[in-house]
This record gives sequence, C-alpha cells and structure tokens, in this order.
Amino acid sequence: AQSVAQPEDQVNVAEGNPLTVKCTYSVSGNPYLFWYVQYPNRGLQFLLKYITGDNLVKGSYGFEAEFNKSQTSFHLKKPSALVSDSALYFCAVRDNSNYQLIWGAGTKLIIKP
Amino acid sequence: GAGVSQSPSNKVTEKGKDVELRCDPISGHTALYWYRQSLGQGLEFLIYFQGNSAPDKSGLPSDRFSAERTGGSVSTLTIQRTQQEDSAVYLCASRQRGYNEQFFGPGTRLTVL
Repeated sequence: AQSVAQPEDQVNVAEGNPLTVKCTYSVSGNPYLFWYVQYPNRGLQFLLKYITGDNLVKGSYGFEAEFNKSQTSFHLKKPSALVSDSALYFCAVRDNSNYQLIWGAGTKLIIKP
Repeated sequence: GAGVSQSPSNKVTEKGKDVELRCDPISGHTALYWYRQSLGQGLEFLIYFQGNSAPDKSGLPSDRFSAERTGGSVSTLTIQRTQQEDSAVYLCASRQRGYNEQFFGPGTRLTVL
C-alpha cells in the first residue's frame, strides 16, 4: 500500500540550530515527493518537490530536502532555524495509480528563541 | 496572479442546518480538491474534480456531503443536516494540468453548535 509517514508529531529546535523534519514513504514506481507548510489559521503553502534529478532539492524560505532512495526518505532540513519557521509541516507523495497526493499526518515544528 | 479563494472564511451554524462552502480555483487550473482538516490534524481527502471527468467522491464521509463544480471553475461543497462532528476547516486546492503541485486556499472554518 502506498503511504507516507511523518514519525514525529512535534519537533522542538532552538533558534539558530539546524532543523530536520522526517518523512518516509512507500509508493509503487518512481516517487514524486512534496513538502508543504501551514502557518496558523492559513492554508497550506507549497515548499518544494522532488521529481527527478539531484537528490538535494532547494525550496522556499531557505528549506531543502534530501531524497534518499535506499531509505525511502525525504527529510526536510534547514541549516539555521528561525522562530518564524514555527508551523505545521506536511509531507506528501504522489499515488502513481491515480495521481492523487497521499499526505502525511503532519509535524508541528516549534522554534524557541 | 490571484490564488485560490474560499468563502466564507468562517461559518457558524446550528446542528441540523445545511451549509454551502465556496471555492474559486486559480484560473486555468483543471483539477480541484476538497479536504477536511480537524484542529491541528492532517488532511482528510473529500472529493476531486478533473476537467469534465466524473468526480472522485471516494472521500466523502456520508451522503450528507456533496459537491459540484460548475463550468469547470467554481466549486461548492454542501453539507446537509450538519452535525457537531462536521466542525473542521475545509480546504480547497487546485492544480494545473500536467503539474503535481496543489495550491491551497485559506480554508473555511466551520463550527457546528
């Protein structure tokens, strides 16, 4: 079955430290992977995607994600966290049978000053 | 250009009443999705429209829920005889044909008293 797992409900990071939000996936065929961010009382905003090519993908707001095929992971990273990065982060993978997105449960990222 | 818009932004209704939620997708986007998000939780897929094809209604939780998309553009999600468990944020997203990213509206927060 195709699925996405975000194993951490919440991640706490001190401002200025690097952050990682984890995502693993299971999909038939080539994975098309996405990260979205949701700020309080807002809709989801697209951050970045992996379709093919370089395993390190750069996106909005200084975020990047590393695709690892052997570990079936697509972890979101940022070298230096900002308090304003505090939000809910969603990982998604495309279901190649119907082209829908399968969504992870979300990870709440809290950046403390 | 304009993003996805949704109206109303907030809706408070009494149990048993019907409600209509509206979504205006990005112009030219052929695909439109409705999701439901309970407080701080993940996304629950409700329904998907793609062009003139029959919609994918597999996510609708009961026959009290229905949606239409008129003229391949604006969509309305209708919930009949609302129940307290229908309280959630209802998110709409649209996607351009040939692309995988979905673009989200700000959502409608529905509260059923």
